[in-house]
Amino acid sequence: DGGITQSPKYLFRKEGQNVTLSCEQNLNHDAMYWYRQDPGQGLRLIYYSQIVNDFQKGDIAEGYSVSREKKESFPLTVTSAQKNPTAFYLCASSLIYNEQFFGPGTRLTVL
Amino acid sequence: AQKVTQAQTEISVVEKEDVTLDCVYETRDTTYYLFWYKQPPSGELVFLIRRNSFDEQNEISGRYSWNFQKSTSSFNFTITASQVVDSAVYFCALKGNTGKLIFGQGTTLQVKP
Repeated sequence: DGGITQSPKYLFRKEGQNVTLSCEQNLNHDAMYWYRQDPGQGLRLIYYSQIVNDFQKGDIAEGYSVSREKKESFPLTVTSAQKNPTAFYLCASSLIYNEQFFGPGTRLTVL
Repeated sequence: AQKVTQAQTEISVVEKEDVTLDCVYETRDTTYYLFWYKQPPSGELVFLIRRNSFDEQNEISGRYSWNFQKSTSSFNFTITASQVVDSAVYFCALKGNTGKLIFGQGTTLQVKP
């Protein structure tokens, strides 16, 4: 099956901890993206990557970090510097100029 | 600046009614793309349609239809004979020269049996 997987589905973090959200795709897409969604809100772009070993900050990158060592994988780390990390996180991928396809999301809660 | 406005926060209809979701966008780019996504309660965004700025033809796919009007910068989405399974949050989005996808705030559609 071709698609995008995200894990875990639910994640709980204590204050001051870093956590890493996984995103994997087997669609052979060049571009991958991370979005944050807060209740009742649209999606905001955190980071994106158009090729391996390269990525750019989105609109709300502070407190987050990413890596793109493989075409299939684009993990997101939520660091302790992110003051309000509780949110729904969505990963997406696309061919460079085409529509984005989304994974099932990870719901992060800070305890 | 690029912006997408979905003025309808929530819409509630009874099954079999037709419903139109409005989307108004702002961009200075001459080439751009517009999208609609559906977000059911499970949370995953489902791609519905992509339209480029040079193609103003309306599109119909089953009970779904889209009306793109550059003159009013609108890209409205109509569901004909709505069903309970259509209940979801619907997002309109714009992609211009930056390559970034700009989302509207979303419209929550509730279809009651």
